[in-house]
Amino acid sequence: GIQVEQSPPDLILQEGANSTLRCNFSDSVNNLQWFHQNPWGQLINLFYIPSGTKQNGRLSATTVATERYSLLYISSSQTTDSGVYFCAVVTGTASKLTFGTGTRLQVTL
Amino acid sequence: GAGVSQSPSNKVTEKGKDVELRCDPISGHTALYWYRQSLGQGLEFLIYFQGNSAPDKSGLPSDRFSAERTGGSVSTLTIQRTQQEDSAVYLCASSLVEGFGYTFGSGTRLTVV
Repeated sequence: GIQVEQSPPDLILQEGANSTLRCNFSDSVNNLQWFHQNPWGQLINLFYIPSGTKQNGRLSATTVATERYSLLYISSSQTTDSGVYFCAVVTGTASKLTFGTGTRLQVTL
Repeated sequence: GAGVSQSPSNKVTEKGKDVELRCDPISGHTALYWYRQSLGQGLEFLIYFQGNSAPDKSGLPSDRFSAERTGGSVSTLTIQRTQQEDSAVYLCASSLVEGFGYTFGSGTRLTVV
């Protein structure tokens, strides 16, 4: 099956700093989503981005499908950005999401 | 409903007992998915429904696990003879079109003691 790897596994930022999270996947995908899991466990959909670039406030994402990676940019980080960021993909004829290993982000004051 | 609703939010059960977890998807969403997240781990796919049928059950870890969906809406995940390794957060998601635009519920935290 497809492998989805994220880096870095852990990241500590001071409030106001910028960061880039990376997701590499081993096969072509039909769908790619970025999720934020907050400290209470709720998974929030950030972007549906199988290709191209999208922006939503301080967050933006870029997927280069031909090179099999996606990037999530967080600018001017805030403590509320803390949590785990997952990318997840759908491949071939499957409908299920395969999740990456996650990046645990801690934003400190 | 406005979002995916799961109940109960927390469940503590004794080893060997059966449990039922419920998922109420977003109204009109035909695809429904169950995932499991063990402590500090990523999300593990369990089963997927399209309408009332389950085209992909490949993630169910053993025959103690089963799921059904009725009326193309509510789904129930049943774990029989629970074991301590079943302790995890069980998450349900739905989507309007299979494979696209998932929305997750808040999960059921299951603890087997």
